[in-house]
Amino acid sequence: SQTIHQWPATLVQPVGSPLSLECTVEGTSNPNLYWYRQAAGRGLQLLFYSVGIGQISSEVPQNLSASRPQDRQFILSSKKLLLSDSGFYLCAWRTSGAYEQYFGPGTRLTVT
Amino acid sequence: AQRVTQPEKLLSVFKGAPVELKCNYSYSGSPELFWYVQYSRQRLQLLLRHISRESIKGFTADLNKGETSFHLKKPFAQEEDSAMYYCALQLSGTYKYIFGTGTRLKVLA
Repeated sequence: SQTIHQWPATLVQPVGSPLSLECTVEGTSNPNLYWYRQAAGRGLQLLFYSVGIGQISSEVPQNLSASRPQDRQFILSSKKLLLSDSGFYLCAWRTSGAYEQYFGPGTRLTVT
Repeated sequence: AQRVTQPEKLLSVFKGAPVELKCNYSYSGSPELFWYVQYSRQRLQLLLRHISRESIKGFTADLNKGETSFHLKKPFAQEEDSAMYYCALQLSGTYKYIFGTGTRLKVLA
């Protein structure tokens, strides 16, 4: 069966430090992958999505970037964190052409 | 611009009372709409999709294109329905989804 993993579960980082959040999917091939941010009062904001290795679409201009070095691996990065980057980050996948997205457990990021 | 609006941050109802979670959208294309739910300490998961026109856990949602709404309804709320509910719009022909800000439903005993 398919599963999605995210780590770390929680992270506290100082302003100006780098960031790397990882998401991996098991049990499927060539999934569509997504990064969302869930901020208080703002719902789920789509940050990036990917339809294949090395193919990244950015939805919101910001301090973050994403990469997909392998078929089932999706990484969210930042070179220098801002206070406004704090939030709950969710990774999701879906089978290409299907409608349902499957979400990971999320990472709570606090930038201090 | 495409937008999904959930006007209520919090909705409290008593057990056995009817529930309606509101969702309005703004989109010029053909909308594909969903309701996702997140129970306490669980992952966000799909509840239902407008095209399937099914009832899941007693919930239904009808797409009203005239009013650009996709409200979620249940005739008799149960305590286990307490959760965070998100309405989502998939832009036709794309991989993109737009989510609303969510409504927290509390069902009181």
